[in-house]
Amino acid sequence: SQTIHQWPATLVQPVGSPLSLECTVEGTSNPNLYWYRQAAGRGLQLLFYSVGIGQISSEVPQNLSASRPQDRQFILSSKKLLLSDSGFYLCAWSLTGTNYMRYTEAFFGQGTRLTVV
Amino acid sequence: KNEVEQSPQNLTAQEGEFITINCSYSVGISALHWLQQHPGGGIVSLFMLSSGKKKHGRLIATINIQEKHSSLHITASHPRDSAVYICAVNEFTGNQFYFGTGTSLTVIP
Repeated sequence: SQTIHQWPATLVQPVGSPLSLECTVEGTSNPNLYWYRQAAGRGLQLLFYSVGIGQISSEVPQNLSASRPQDRQFILSSKKLLLSDSGFYLCAWSLTGTNYMRYTEAFFGQGTRLTVV
Repeated sequence: KNEVEQSPQNLTAQEGEFITINCSYSVGISALHWLQQHPGGGIVSLFMLSSGKKKHGRLIATINIQEKHSSLHITASHPRDSAVYICAVNEFTGNQFYFGTGTSLTVIP
């Protein structure tokens, strides 16, 4: 069965420090991978998605970047964090087409709660 | 217009009450997910649906594909059910998820 791992669960970082959040998926191949952010009091907003290694699409201009160095690994990074980067970050995966329904519910990471101080 | 609309936004119930949270969506989907997020906590996946109905303990989720509507029911609600419940759909092409803004549920003892 497939699993998704996202870490860390919580993180407190000073302004100006770098960021690296990692997400890995097991039990499937060539997944679509996503990073979402939930600012306080708002819904989850798509930041980046990837349909393959090295293929990253950005939905919202921001202080963040994403990379996909391996098929099932998705990394969210920042060189210098801003206070406005605080929020809840969620990694997710899916598949295109009829193969989707073969899988069970493990499509979402647990999330990372980032506080920039 | 949001692709996924949830109602109500906030819900307060007495312990033991039957609770319904609704979700409507406007895009073609592969599947619909119900997620739970406790205050300060992470995301827990409750259900994935593409048709019909699923039940897990006191939780029941239904979906009507023709009407583009899903409901999450909680029977015999308990204070530990207090959380934000989020509806998410996976767009048919598989290119992204769309999330509702969540329903904040408080169950009072």
